[in-house]
Amino acid sequence: EVQLEESGGDLVQPGGSLRLACAVSGFTLSSHWMIWVRQAPGKGLEWVANINKDGSEANYMDSVKGRFTVFRDNAKNSLYLQMNSLRVEDTAVYFCAADNLPAAAAYWGQGALVTVSS
Amino acid sequence: QFALTQPPSASGSPGQSVTISCTGTSSDVGGYNYVSWYQQHPGKAPKLIIYEVTKRPSGVPDRLSGSKSGNTASLTVSGLQPEDEADYYCRSYRGSSPQYVFGTGTRVTVL
Repeated sequence: EVQLEESGGDLVQPGGSLRLACAVSGFTLSSHWMIWVRQAPGKGLEWVANINKDGSEANYMDSVKGRFTVFRDNAKNSLYLQMNSLRVEDTAVYFCAADNLPAAAAYWGQGALVTVSS
Repeated sequence: QFALTQPPSASGSPGQSVTISCTGTSSDVGGYNYVSWYQQHPGKAPKLIIYEVTKRPSGVPDRLSGSKSGNTASLTVSGLQPEDEADYYCRSYRGSSPQYVFGTGTRVTVL
């Protein structure tokens, strides 16, 4: 059974840092591009970042460039999102997902809530 | 920020059909056949229902179908059922930063 489980969500003050982790099982992590998607309370989905199969290439949405870093450890079946200089507008549920089909994600985690507030 | 345009809401009675549009540009929807659609029920993770414009993942019923014309992609849900009541999002590859973009989302109500 395919499983993705996010962890690390928390309440953090503006300007603070947080690292999300996504532990996967039931499929070979190294075979897929991985993505992070977020959803602010009551809002739509927003593509945040992705990373290629071996971790050598990552892409980001403009508003998180220079603040967020996505990386992976295929040996540990884990994906990560390091978030620095957090802003109130980064408050959202963050989902990890696997682009296991061409430019499409059929495997999703249940999400981790990140709240940025003073 | 970039976002594909979807109607905020759509509705239909059980058994009827509803079509949701997803409008982008020649840099995203119109330029690539990498449009996917996701269904999301409240408090749940999104579920992939269409990829590469028209293809259905295993287990997705054929009453859900996708198409594209120019810069607009569409999702049609035929034979509406109560469980189809959900939020629907399109997603497209862009080829330039940001590499992907989601649509604004459409809430489908089954009357």
